[in-house]
Amino acid sequence: ETGVTQSPTHLIKTRGQQVTLRCSSQSGHNTVSWYQQALGQGPQFIFQYYREEENGRGNFPPRFSGLQFPNYSSELNVNALELDDSALYLCASSSGTDYEQYFGPGTRLTVT
Amino acid sequence: AQSVTQLDSQVPVFEEAPVELRCNYSSSVSVYLFWYVQYPNQGLQLLLKYLSGSTLVKGINGFEAEFNKSQTSFHLRKPSVHISDTAEYFCAADTGGFKTIFGAGTRLFVKA
Repeated sequence: ETGVTQSPTHLIKTRGQQVTLRCSSQSGHNTVSWYQQALGQGPQFIFQYYREEENGRGNFPPRFSGLQFPNYSSELNVNALELDDSALYLCASSSGTDYEQYFGPGTRLTVT
Repeated sequence: AQSVTQLDSQVPVFEEAPVELRCNYSSSVSVYLFWYVQYPNQGLQLLLKYLSGSTLVKGINGFEAEFNKSQTSFHLRKPSVHISDTAEYFCAADTGGFKTIFGAGTRLFVKA
């Protein structure tokens, strides 16, 4: 059973640019959630996708957007990057039956 | 609004000593509670979860937690810690749908 994977591992972007982060969910999981973890803080919920539809959103601006594909993998897109977007971005997949989320290793985004 | 407060940002402890990491939650509805561990440069791993039933929950690596509804607490305990338990620990709450709210984290540092 393959776990949750994320790519890339690290990324450096310039303020104003756009970035796409990718997540492959664990086999059999139809729900993917994205979190932003700033340095020294707990993860903050960005949004969740369930069967290709957005199923809830945290307090993040519209320049944070996402997609979920038929194979339940997912993308997080961030437009007009700001310095404060520098963080570890985590995705987590779940089956929707046991309230257990499985986290990927994260993508470390640095905005300069 | 739902919130999670971890009362200690850092907890230093000697190897083989007991430890308690404190967590309080605020929710007006039924809540599911979790503890996660994060090792450096890694994603989050679930230690244990409380969904319902027995208020004493046992998890992996010898950790356990007790749900106390009257005190709205979910403290994590281990009777004897090891050097390898050094990590960041996050308490989290979910009122349903996997839109999880995390605390700011407690850094457990186990000293030889």
